Amino acid sequence: QVQLVESGGGVVQPGRSLRLSCAASGFTFSSYGMHWVRQAPGKGLEWVAVISYDGSNKYYADSVKGRFTISRDNSKNTLYLQMNSLRAEDTAVYYCAKGRWFQDVWGKGTTVTVSS
Amino acid sequence: SYVLTQPPSVSVAPGQTARITCGGNNIGSKSVHWYQQKPGQAPVLVVYDDSDRPSGIPERFSGSNSGNTATLTISRVEAGDEADYYCQVWDSSSDHQVFGGGTKLTVL
Repeated sequence: QVQLVESGGGVVQPGRSLRLSCAASGFTFSSYGMHWVRQAPGKGLEWVAVISYDGSNKYYADSVKGRFTISRDNSKNTLYLQMNSLRAEDTAVYYCAKGRWFQDVWGKGTTVTVSS
Repeated sequence: SYVLTQPPSVSVAPGQTARITCGGNNIGSKSVHWYQQKPGQAPVLVVYDDSDRPSGIPERFSGSNSGNTATLTISRVEAGDEADYYCQVWDSSSDHQVFGGGTKLTVL
């Protein structure tokens, strides 16, 4: 079945880096744009970044631009989010989601906690 | 940047109709999508492109979009519909995806 599984979350100190991964299965990964969306504790959904099906186009939320990098490896059916210069306000559950204009499949999320 | 405004909460009795609004400047010119999120779970797409339903979503869920307001309508509300609902658009002027702040639907 169609599935997205995130990994790589954890507790990290402010200013450090972390890389999230999202393994896709059950669909033709290389045909779809993919997003990262996060949700801080008790808060709403916040869009983070999107990458086109072939990786040629990438867009970022203002809050992460210049610190986060979205990428993909279509040969491995995997989406990535490299997060640098992490801040306390980056603490959230990070979801990967399938679909360029709307997201019809979501992973269960991975939790990132930025704390000293 | 583009802003989507949702009421923080909506309450409805079982069997009644819930309407959740999503306001935005000339939102009628954009495609609006709606997600349902239950506590501790990932969001689920319930309406896309203003009024289309993914497979597996009950016909009780419907959507409309015109002018400055999009609306998610849930007919014959059930206890299992209690959740947070988010509207979403793609803002082509900023190349940003935008979510509304979310609406908590309470079934009385």
